[in-house]
Amino acid sequence: EVQLLESGGGLVQPGGSLRLSCAASGFTFSSYAMSWVRQAPGKGLEWVSAISGSGGSTYYADSVKGRFTISRDNSKNTLYLQMNSLRAEDTAVYYCAKAPVVKGYWYFDLWGRGTLVTVSS
Amino acid sequence: QSVLTQPPSASGTPGQRVTISCSGSSSNIGSNTVNWYQQLPGTAPKLLIYSNNQRPSGVPDRFSGSKSGTSASLAISGLQSEDEADYYCAAWDDSLNGNVVFGGGTKLTVL
Repeated sequence: EVQLLESGGGLVQPGGSLRLSCAASGFTFSSYAMSWVRQAPGKGLEWVSAISGSGGSTYYADSVKGRFTISRDNSKNTLYLQMNSLRAEDTAVYYCAKAPVVKGYWYFDLWGRGTLVTVSS
Repeated sequence: QSVLTQPPSASGTPGQRVTISCSGSSSNIGSNTVNWYQQLPGTAPKLLIYSNNQRPSGVPDRFSGSKSGTSASLAISGLQSEDEADYYCAAWDDSLNGNVVFGGGTKLTVL
């Protein structure tokens, strides 16, 4: 079955760190870029970060640049998001998404169920 | 404030045709393709339309997308109760170094 399964969310204090994981199955993981998209409670979608299929290129939203690091282990079919210096405004459900490229542009054709990150003291 | 502008709400009765607009600028919709996502209550988003007007396998042909200049639209014909959801447009933005930008979302209510 083609699916993405996120894990690693939870409650963390401001300034703390958390690492999210996304386990992929049912497709050739290394052939696709992958991305993280988040959704604050009651709010819309916000793109966070993306990584190429090889892992050689990474991209970040300005809101997380310098604090979050995206990576992947193609031998384990797993995507990661290391989140440091967390702020209250990082509170959200974090989705991982498969990102095929068409004409040089990503879109997200498979989404996980999400994992909730709550940043609060 | 979202980079792409969508109406916060839309509504229609069963069987009706509704459209949802998405307005951007020359750096996003004006020069890149538009994708649409559907988010049913309490669930993850799902790809509805990609590359302006392409439907993934399994998406009914009641859903269609179009783009003109710096604006895009999602049309839903033969509205059904199960179409009640939040709809988001998205596009790559050239001014943001590879960032994808989303619209604020439109909540569609089936009356």
